[in-house]
Amino acid sequence: EVQLVESGGGLVQPGGSLRLSCAASGFTFSSYWMHWVRQAPGKGLVWVSRINGDGSDTSYADSVKGRFTISRDNAKNTLYLQMNSLRAEDTAIYYCARASTAGASRYYFDCWGQGTLVTVSS
Amino acid sequence: DIQMTQSPSSLSASVGDRITITCRASQSISSSLNWFQQKPGKAPKLLIYVASSLQSGVPSRFSGSGSGTDFTLTISSLQPEDFATYHCQQSYSLPHTFGQGTKLEI
Repeated sequence: EVQLVESGGGLVQPGGSLRLSCAASGFTFSSYWMHWVRQAPGKGLVWVSRINGDGSDTSYADSVKGRFTISRDNAKNTLYLQMNSLRAEDTAIYYCARASTAGASRYYFDCWGQGTLVTVSS
Repeated sequence: DIQMTQSPSSLSASVGDRITITCRASQSISSSLNWFQQKPGKAPKLLIYVASSLQSGVPSRFSGSGSGTDFTLTISSLQPEDFATYHCQQSYSLPHTFGQGTKLEI
């Protein structure tokens, strides 16, 4: 069974750091681009970051660029999101998602984790 | 960034109804459009990818259409389990923006 399980969320003060993990199982992890998507309480979904299969290509939303770092350990089948200089507006449920492809620029998130809640507050 | 606009933002319907949700992109995205269903406290679930392809395991009452800038999600006969929030998303370019969501209520 394809499965993604996030962990690492919690309460952190503004300016603090947190590292999220996403453990993958049931598929060849290194063959897939992986993404992080977040959802503030009662709000819509927002794309955060992505990484390619070998970790050599990463991209970020402008709102987190320079503060968040996406990485992966294919030996451990685990995706990470290092979040630094956290702000109140980063408060959200963070989901990891697997991206499959149906051709150029035709990606779709076919598997999602259950999410982990990050709360930034003093 | 490509802006994705869904309409309506909320919709009241009954079991057995046929409903349509619209998603409009601020520029052409070819067929790089996906639809997700999300229930309270749960992760999004993929329904339709590349505008009209039905994800494995998703009931055939769900269908998608469109290309360019205008897309629709149709549910042909609403079932009780379909009451949820629906999101569209473009994968044409970064950032992979989502619509604001459509809440489907009884």
